[in-house]
Amino acid sequence: GNSVTQMEGPVTLSEEAFLTINCTYTATGYPSLFWYVQYPGEGLQLLLKATKADDKGSNKGFEATYRKETTSFHLEKGSVQVSDSAVYFCALSDQGFQKLVFGTGTRLLVSP
Amino acid sequence: EADIYQTPRYLVIGTGKKITLECSQTMGHDKMYWYQQDPGMELHLIHYSYGVNSTEKGDLSSESTVSRIRTEHFPLTLESARPSHTSQYLCASSESPGQGPEKLFFGSGTQLSVL
Repeated sequence: GNSVTQMEGPVTLSEEAFLTINCTYTATGYPSLFWYVQYPGEGLQLLLKATKADDKGSNKGFEATYRKETTSFHLEKGSVQVSDSAVYFCALSDQGFQKLVFGTGTRLLVSP
Repeated sequence: EADIYQTPRYLVIGTGKKITLECSQTMGHDKMYWYQQDPGMELHLIHYSYGVNSTEKGDLSSESTVSRIRTEHFPLTLESARPSHTSQYLCASSESPGQGPEKLFFGSGTQLSVL
């Protein structure tokens, strides 16, 4: 079945450091891929998405490229801020868009 | 931006009580979901609905039940709460298929503690 694997956290960085959170997936067909973010005390919200191979999703300085050959969708940001501290979830949708499959989440902690 | 609301935000109850977690959305979305989030942050889909009078069980078996009598309302009920039900419960909604890739709108969640 479809599944998503994320790197374990927490990821601890200093402000302005470079961020990479790894995400790989297993899926039949051609899923759409997503990154969701959960700030403390809140629900999840969509951060970015990509719908086909080689697409790059971007938002708020975050980027992720849909790599079909490596079945990956790694999240990157060139310079993190304290306000980026949150839990990040990688997800994929099956071809019927019936539901999302989430990874286990990666907590990011950014210190001043 | 999100117009999906969950109440209560926090709930502490004793074992054996019946509880209902409320979820409402004002976006007219057909599809709604309940996720259980464990302390390790992992999300487990426990119920979903494609529209009025449609309910389906999710990937994780749950003793809770749901109903969908109105498009905007998707309550979750536990007939007899137990400590093992202690968790964060997240409600979400999305537009119908054919509208493009799935974007879920999440509520802020209900943190349930059963003593």
